Amino acid sequence: AQKVTQAQTEISVVEKEDVTLDCVYETRDTTYYLFWYKQPPSGELVFLIRRNSFDEQNEISGRYSWNFQKSTSSFNFTITASQVVDSAVYFCALSEAEGGGFKTIFGAGTRLFVKA
Amino acid sequence: EAQVTQNPRYLITVTGKKLTVTCSQNMNHEYMSWYRQDPGLGLRQIYYSMNVEVTDKGDVPEGYKVSRKEKRNFPLILESPSPNQTSLYFCASSLLPGSNQPQHFGDGTRLSIL
Repeated sequence: AQKVTQAQTEISVVEKEDVTLDCVYETRDTTYYLFWYKQPPSGELVFLIRRNSFDEQNEISGRYSWNFQKSTSSFNFTITASQVVDSAVYFCALSEAEGGGFKTIFGAGTRLFVKA
Repeated sequence: EAQVTQNPRYLITVTGKKLTVTCSQNMNHEYMSWYRQDPGLGLRQIYYSMNVEVTDKGDVPEGYKVSRKEKRNFPLILESPSPNQTSLYFCASSLLPGSNQPQHFGDGTRLSIL
């Protein structure tokens, strides 16, 4: 069965520290899609990145980077030089075909506190 | 402006009183979905729809109904709400059937069932 595990419930760092948020997934499919979303204190969900299962290339976007490793079923997210504005809940999600449709499974989320 | 609109944003009601949360998107997306968010559990998919008149259960469909009569609308219906349905609900849509396209989320609806 599909499953997304974000083992870190809360992380607290001081501004300018680097922080990595872990995401481990389980799936039976060879074709699937992984996402990261950010939920700031205001409550909306903001898309950050997606990866399909055939693209293991790591990605960097400014201070954000993602490390996708199929061998360990992980899709970790690193924030470099964290800032107070990075304080939010971050969700990892897996989307894959089931029957005739697509289901999406979210992890429980990691709450990141960045202190000034 | 591209958006997913949910109404109401907040609702306090009583057990057993039928309610509907509306969701509308203006991006001509095929895929729409409802989630509930509860502390420590993340977002859990309630129902999703691949297109008009095509709906399917997510992980937690019990106590909910949906319909997709038009492409832009995907209402969530609670026929007989119970306190365990108190939660934050999100509607989402995406261009392709949920695959590699990111979902656009509404601002959320906070339901309290007394």
